[in-house]
Amino acid sequence: AQTVTQSQPEMSVQEAETVTLSCTYDTSENNYYLFWYKQPPSRQMILVIRQEAYKQQNATENRFSVNFQKAAKSFSLKISDSQLGDTAMYFCAFMKWGSGKLSFGAGTTVTVRA
Amino acid sequence: DTGVSQDPRHKITKRGQNVTFRCDPISEHNRLYWYRQTLGQGPEFLTYFQNEAQLEKSRLLSDRFSAERPKGSFSTLEIQRTEQGDSAMYLCASSLLSGGSYYEQYFGPGTRLTVT
Repeated sequence: AQTVTQSQPEMSVQEAETVTLSCTYDTSENNYYLFWYKQPPSRQMILVIRQEAYKQQNATENRFSVNFQKAAKSFSLKISDSQLGDTAMYFCAFMKWGSGKLSFGAGTTVTVRA
Repeated sequence: DTGVSQDPRHKITKRGQNVTFRCDPISEHNRLYWYRQTLGQGPEFLTYFQNEAQLEKSRLLSDRFSAERPKGSFSTLEIQRTEQGDSAMYLCASSLLSGGSYYEQYFGPGTRLTVT
């Protein structure tokens, strides 16, 4: 079984600043995907960014980027130029290659202050 | 709106009653997933379907839970003899399996169940 750990329950950041969320995972699989999902208050979960484990290059989507360290089983998310709309709960998730099942961490609540 | 829809959005029931939730996936999506999310936690996988076949069930899915996806379209999740521990948000997601190994899951808004 895979476990995903997010050690930061809450993070606060000033608008326009940068915040980094931590995620570690435990797996014996070699081929897998990692994701960051965003769940705004009272709104549905949406995918922010994904990383394939076989790719060494870190994924980037606009202001969102990851630092994937496969050997350390670490997958952090950096949000640059934070905006008020980034306020949400962020979940790190793992999916074994070929599986549809997502395993989520407990989440990190990010609050962007004006 | 062509996203994943769930009905009802909120359900309050008394302990011991049966409840049924419905999920309508994105129309061309052949995979459908159910997750349960308790307050302040990440979603936990319950079960998933490929077309009408239920391919995997979590050990979290006790005998009181049953899910169906007749005709491979919408899905229902039924909880019999509800308990207070069943209080949670029940999330549905769908994806399109198209021969690749990665399928993005699109989530619905969830059904919040409160058992009193």
